[in-house]
Amino acid sequence: AQSVAQPEDQVNVAEGNPLTVKCTYSVSGNPYLFWYVQYPNRGLQFLLKYITGDNLVKGSYGFEAEFNKSQTSFHLKKPSALVSDSALYFCAVNLNNAGNMLTFGGGTRLMVKP
Amino acid sequence: GAVVSQHPSWVICKSGTSVKIECRSLDFQATTMFWYRQFPKQSLMLMATSNEGSKATYEQGVEKDKFLINHASLTLSTLTVTSAHPEDSSFYICSAVGDLDTQYFGPGTRLTVL
Repeated sequence: AQSVAQPEDQVNVAEGNPLTVKCTYSVSGNPYLFWYVQYPNRGLQFLLKYITGDNLVKGSYGFEAEFNKSQTSFHLKKPSALVSDSALYFCAVNLNNAGNMLTFGGGTRLMVKP
Repeated sequence: GAVVSQHPSWVICKSGTSVKIECRSLDFQATTMFWYRQFPKQSLMLMATSNEGSKATYEQGVEKDKFLINHASLTLSTLTVTSAHPEDSSFYICSAVGDLDTQYFGPGTRLTVL
């Protein structure tokens, strides 16, 4: 069975500093990996995804994520955090023959302080 | 592109009534849509997979007679919560599968059952 772990419930970072939100996955096969962001009382917004190719994926709002097969990780990063980046972030995995179903991590709340 | 809408965004109803939530893909067609439920400060829980023109596939523990799903067209899926009770109060989020198997999410519907 596939699973996704986000080991940190919350990440605190000062505005202007780099941020990392961690995600590890467990699948038997080639995963499709996704990051979504959720603002209060809103649905999820797609940030980026990895299917194949370059391990460094660039997405919306200056975010990027690095696929590391040996460490089974897909950490989300941004060089310089903004206060407006404060939100709930979800990592998700889809096995490429699983009929588009996503398995979500528990979510990580990012707090960016001015 | 890849916009998904939900209606209503917030509904309050009395116990015992039925509530219908609509999910529309506005600028693309989606053979597959998903319905999720999210409790406060928790991750998304997949309720069911909705396939256009066929019966929905429900996850274990989700009552299909209580949560009726209809996917009558490639741009519309509906979730009807029948005989709603206070324990059904939650945030319901739909998603539609777009390009390259990416799920695009609606803004969510908050259901409060009194």
